[in-house]
Amino acid sequence: QLQLQESGPGLVKPSETLSLTCTVSGGSISDSNKYWGWIRQTPGNGLEWIGSLYYSGTTSYNPSLKSRVSISVDTSKNQFSLKLSAVTVADTAVYYCAREEITVGRQYYYDYWGHGILVTVSS
Amino acid sequence: AIRMTQSPSSLSASTGDRVTITCRASQNISTYLAWYQQKPGKAPKVLIYAASTLQSGVPSRFSGSGSGTDFTLTISRLQSEDFASYYCHQCYNFPYTFGQGTKLEIK
Repeated sequence: QLQLQESGPGLVKPSETLSLTCTVSGGSISDSNKYWGWIRQTPGNGLEWIGSLYYSGTTSYNPSLKSRVSISVDTSKNQFSLKLSAVTVADTAVYYCAREEITVGRQYYYDYWGHGILVTVSS
Repeated sequence: AIRMTQSPSSLSASTGDRVTITCRASQNISTYLAWYQQKPGKAPKVLIYAASTLQSGVPSRFSGSGSGTDFTLTISRLQSEDFASYYCHQCYNFPYTFGQGTKLEIK
């Protein structure tokens, strides 16, 4: 059974960089036809897609965050990571990592999610 | 970005009821739509993808329909475990976007 687990600091100071890691177990991050993503959730803004990654290193980012976000992969550790720079209180959210399934018909959806990690931005 | 508008934002219903949640996209997304269920303190769980395909293991009382800009999620006979929040998600193009959610509560 595939499992994803987010890890990282739960408290980040304003203007600093938020860094989270997602560890994948029970499967390989190098599987073809799978992308890996970060999604966050706030009470006010609901679910927000942050970005996606393919194991080769190809990435796509939300333009609303693009100048501040970076997603990378470490296939040797079966992990992928999120960095979000210059954070403000508006970046306080529950951050989820998830696997994106790509079907034969080129349909996409998130089929496995981590439990989520609350990151609070506060001095 | 494609805007996803769900309605209603909240809904009260009783066990055994049939309920329908709608999602409208701001532009044509074909059938690139998924539905998720989320319970408090838990991650979202996919119910439907490709607008109408039931994810493996999801009860058949859940169904989805629609294409283009208008989509629906129907729960045919509500069970106690179905009281949760529901979100639509367009995966037609980046940036992916989600509806604002529908909270289904017990009447």
